Amino acid sequence: GQQLNQSPQSMFIQEGEDVSMNCTSSSIFNTWLWYKQEPGEGPVLLIALYKAGELTSNGRLTAQFGITRKDSFLNISASIPSDVGIYFCASYSGGGADGLTFGKGTHLIIQP
Amino acid sequence: DAGITQSPRYKITETGRQVTLMCHQTWSHSYMFWYRQDLGHGLRLIYYSAAADITDKGEVPDGYVVSRSKTENFPLTLESATRSQTSVYFCASSGTRGGTQYFGPGTRLTVL
Repeated sequence: GQQLNQSPQSMFIQEGEDVSMNCTSSSIFNTWLWYKQEPGEGPVLLIALYKAGELTSNGRLTAQFGITRKDSFLNISASIPSDVGIYFCASYSGGGADGLTFGKGTHLIIQP
Repeated sequence: DAGITQSPRYKITETGRQVTLMCHQTWSHSYMFWYRQDLGHGLRLIYYSAAADITDKGEVPDGYVVSRSKTENFPLTLESATRSQTSVYFCASSGTRGGTQYFGPGTRLTVL
């Protein structure tokens, strides 16, 4: 099946620092999604990207859909303690009705 | 507004027993999904459903059975639980094909 390679696996940063994580694949995707998961909860959608080259922001979060359609990155500026969690990239496995394929996640830990 | 709920939240069972995990959504979404989350694997799709009485396999369906007699419910059954099915299970729903998936809070299942 299609695989999404997400890096880094984990990040230990200081509060106020900027964060960058990315996702790559050998396959072309038409959509890139970024989810955040907090302990004891299900993933929540942060940003959805639908076009190659698209750059979308959601507050302090910015994500881009790579030109080759095989990669995406997520940046978080000026991190705060509530940014702690696991961030996943994801895309649709097929036509959209058959579920999502997820990266393995980036675990963000913020030291005050 | 309950959204999407899962029950039980925690379950411990023994190898060979049948276990059913429940998922209920109040949005009348057509599409529903079951994922499992394991360390090192991220989230993987088990089964999905496009409407009542329509279900299909995802990436890791072996050992699981689903049904969807009503739009709002999508139970997942482990017919004979194995230790490898110890995991956190997430249900999700979406109102449209390829639309945003909303996740439940998860069920943590331990098979002894």
